[in-house]
Amino acid sequence: DQQVKQNSPSLSVQEGRISILNCDYTNSMFDYFLWYKKYPAEGPTFLISISSIKDKNEDGRFTVFLNKSAKHLSLHIVPSQPGDSAVYFCAARTMNYGGSQGNLIFGKGTKLSVKP
Amino acid sequence: SAVISQKPSRDICQRGTSLTIQCQVDSQVTMMFWYRQQPGQSLTLIATANQGSEATYESGFVIDKFPISRPNLTFSTLTVSNMSPEDSSIYLCSVGERWGQPQHFGDGTRLSIL
Repeated sequence: DQQVKQNSPSLSVQEGRISILNCDYTNSMFDYFLWYKKYPAEGPTFLISISSIKDKNEDGRFTVFLNKSAKHLSLHIVPSQPGDSAVYFCAARTMNYGGSQGNLIFGKGTKLSVKP
Repeated sequence: SAVISQKPSRDICQRGTSLTIQCQVDSQVTMMFWYRQQPGQSLTLIATANQGSEATYESGFVIDKFPISRPNLTFSTLTVSNMSPEDSSIYLCSVGERWGQPQHFGDGTRLSIL
């Protein structure tokens, strides 16, 4: 049973436009959410996070939105650049760090391609 | 964030053999984790490596198959024992300091079993 779902395996966007990556979750105990970016042959790199007390967090070109009632979060990249082409993973955990409840649960990822 | 080095970066192994993966961090960290990413799948936590005590394994993973060591606050190893083709995956080391902060990952070890 997937607790974190990324239903779009791939997304193609034109350079300069907005990229929107979506993520849904089922566990209402999750209260900390993260996005990671992964290039081939590299490990995931932390991008941005949001806790459940917020509905928006912004860092430069990257904004994460959280809709707790819908159990949905999204990552917006504006403007998209060819260097953003990578696989993006959504992850979630409870704030109880340590023990199984504190572990990161990952989605399967969305491959973003930004075309020049 | 901490710099995480994993060795080897990749390996091709024979069925029935074992391989030990090393994870070295450039600073002392409280939490170290080992993840697996099977082809086309998400990252799955294997275990939490505890300094000075046995690792805590997730459901579906056992110590006999994935023994872990954590002799100090900067180093851990994961052994994949008695390998079969189903163990072909990327194995990733991750570190974290405290809750509310993100985990960071090494570049992973790409393991193929023939």
